[in-house]
Amino acid sequence: DTAVSQTPKYLVTQMGNDKSIKCEQNLGHDTMYWYKQDSKKFLKIMFSYNNKELIINETVPNRFSPKSPDKAHLNLHINSLELGDSAVYFCASSQTDRVHGYTFGSGTRLTVV
Amino acid sequence: QKEVEQNSGPLSVPEGAIASLNCTYSDRGSQSFFWYRQYSGKSPELIMFIYSNGDKEDGRFTAQLNKASQYVSLLIRDSQPSDSATYLCAVDFSGGYNKLIFGAGTRLAVHP
Repeated sequence: DTAVSQTPKYLVTQMGNDKSIKCEQNLGHDTMYWYKQDSKKFLKIMFSYNNKELIINETVPNRFSPKSPDKAHLNLHINSLELGDSAVYFCASSQTDRVHGYTFGSGTRLTVV
Repeated sequence: QKEVEQNSGPLSVPEGAIASLNCTYSDRGSQSFFWYRQYSGKSPELIMFIYSNGDKEDGRFTAQLNKASQYVSLLIRDSQPSDSATYLCAVDFSGGYNKLIFGAGTRLAVHP
């Protein structure tokens, strides 16, 4: 009965590779997000989709491309991985008005070697 | 620039004491405020939200909001070692930002 599920939980890959992270929510929320948490624990938004429409696209390298096939799914594809991409990536979901905040997925720890 | 400021800590309190975590934010028009708890290696978990000035209590947790001072706090009564975690303040800023902005978090350590 996981509300927001992310896969994989851990990802170790070499520089230059391409990888994807998947996220699914069963809460009936309209909006989904990708956040990056660096080693200092700071959560920074990357993208947000509302009903499959991209509504937030922060200053993120073009190597990162989100896709939302429907409002319950949000994926993140990363091309040409770099050492600096190593971080924990969290998916989250909410109602459009965010009145009850976000529900986060369990996170994907990406390590680029 | 919309900002949420928290003292990074660590805030160290003895077991059974009251832990007080503070957060300030830059936009007077903000309406919704959230406290998340994040254990090491885990995802943030919502523990409280508050919209109106004053106090809101839930068990051992009390959130306090003062919109005039742009200040929100979280009190944890009878602190337990299991409360040791990073506490993240999040603010839903006005003006169509469509997202929560998080503070950097305060690390709380409750020692027996």
